[in-house]
Order: sequence, then structure tokens, then C-alpha cells
Amino acid sequence: GAVVSQHPSRVICKSGTSVKIECRSLDFQATTMFWYRQFPKQSLMLMATSNEGSKATYEQGVEKDKFLINHASLTLSTLTVTSAHPEDSSFYICSAQGEGSTDTQYFGPGTRLTVL
Amino acid sequence: GEDVEQSLFLSVREGDSSVINCTYTDSSSTYLYWYKQEPGAGLQLLTYIFSNMDMKQDQRLTVLLNKKDKHLSLRIADTQTGDSAIYFCAVPRAGGYQKVTFGIGTKLQVIP
Repeated sequence: GAVVSQHPSRVICKSGTSVKIECRSLDFQATTMFWYRQFPKQSLMLMATSNEGSKATYEQGVEKDKFLINHASLTLSTLTVTSAHPEDSSFYICSAQGEGSTDTQYFGPGTRLTVL
Repeated sequence: GEDVEQSLFLSVREGDSSVINCTYTDSSSTYLYWYKQEPGAGLQLLTYIFSNMDMKQDQRLTVLLNKKDKHLSLRIADTQTGDSAIYFCAVPRAGGYQKVTFGIGTKLQVIP
């Protein structure tokens, strides 16, 4: 149980284009989903928190107009990197948190974004 | 904000025990977590401990929590080559039980 998928696993795009990454909870309903960014050999940096049906809450320093998050259902959240630039190249990981007492986050396998 | 510190690297021989340490500053009284990340993959939840416990054992894994010193450790008994990965401790942020702060991760290298 508690499986989270991400699609695509890898994406290469040209500078200036937009890229959408999907995060799905496959066997549970995720009341909250989180989006993280991980640079090589570094920890995870929380970008934003999204709750189903409401606007995402962005961490300080994260541009909400550049990283659009939609959490349209209890099993799907999307992150769209708009007008991508090479500095947006990174490993993006989502996590999903269901209802329950442990508040455990279950992570997707990550998406490697490379912007040329 | 919450600071979570881990050593960067640990090398052990196959069959030995590994101990990965984590210290933190503030935390709300909920759960503390250990995650494992293999190369190019997401994070896998290994185990967690409730903050009113001081020890939890789960097969080869033992978690020790010293709440007074704000010190969390993960012991892996009989370490195998498949245990080679990066291990992150994650601590809830004070005032926000949903969000956690991750340590930088400890890279465990298991020598055959």
C-alpha cells in the first residue's frame, strides 16, 4: 500500500517551454501533497504544499507563477514548470500524505528535468 | 526554523552494524522518520518513531530517540550491500505538523 507514482520519470526540454509533472497516489486518497526539489548531493527542498481543492502554499523564495501547482483531486497533483530555463534543471520529487495519525509522507520516484 | 544535521558519509563492512546519527533543534511532538534513497530514485520510508518512545525495533532496524538531547539514530544490523544508499532523517517542523525538515542525508557505503 501507499504507492505514489510520478510521470514522466525523465524529461528534456528546450529553454522557454513549459513542462508538466504528474504525481498520483495509487492506492490511497492524499489530502495533502508536497513538491520538493533536490539538487545533486543535497537534501530535499520543500517547494510547496497543496491541499485538494485549494491553492497551494509556497515556501519562501519559490515563485508561484513559475511553478504552477494544481491539486484537482484526492489522487492527483501536477507541477508545471513554466518558461523553463537551464537553472530549473533538477530532480523534482512529490510526496503524498493521507489521512491518518502518523502524518507520514509517501514519496514518488522523482522526475529528472533537464532544460537545454 | 528547524535545523536537522547528519554526517555526510559512513562506510562499513558487510555484516557489521551501521549507525547513522541525526540531531535536530525544535520539533513538534509527533513522529520522526527515516527514509532511504537509492541512486536516481525517490525516497522510501524505512521506519518512524513516535516522540514519546525512546526505541523502536523493526527487523534489522533499530531507531533510538533521545528527546532530551534531540538526537535520533538508525542502527542497521548485519549490513548488506543492498543497504548502500543515502539515508535521510526527517523531523516535523515546529508549529506545522504536516511539514517536515530533512537532513542533508548520510551516504552509506557497504564494503563487501
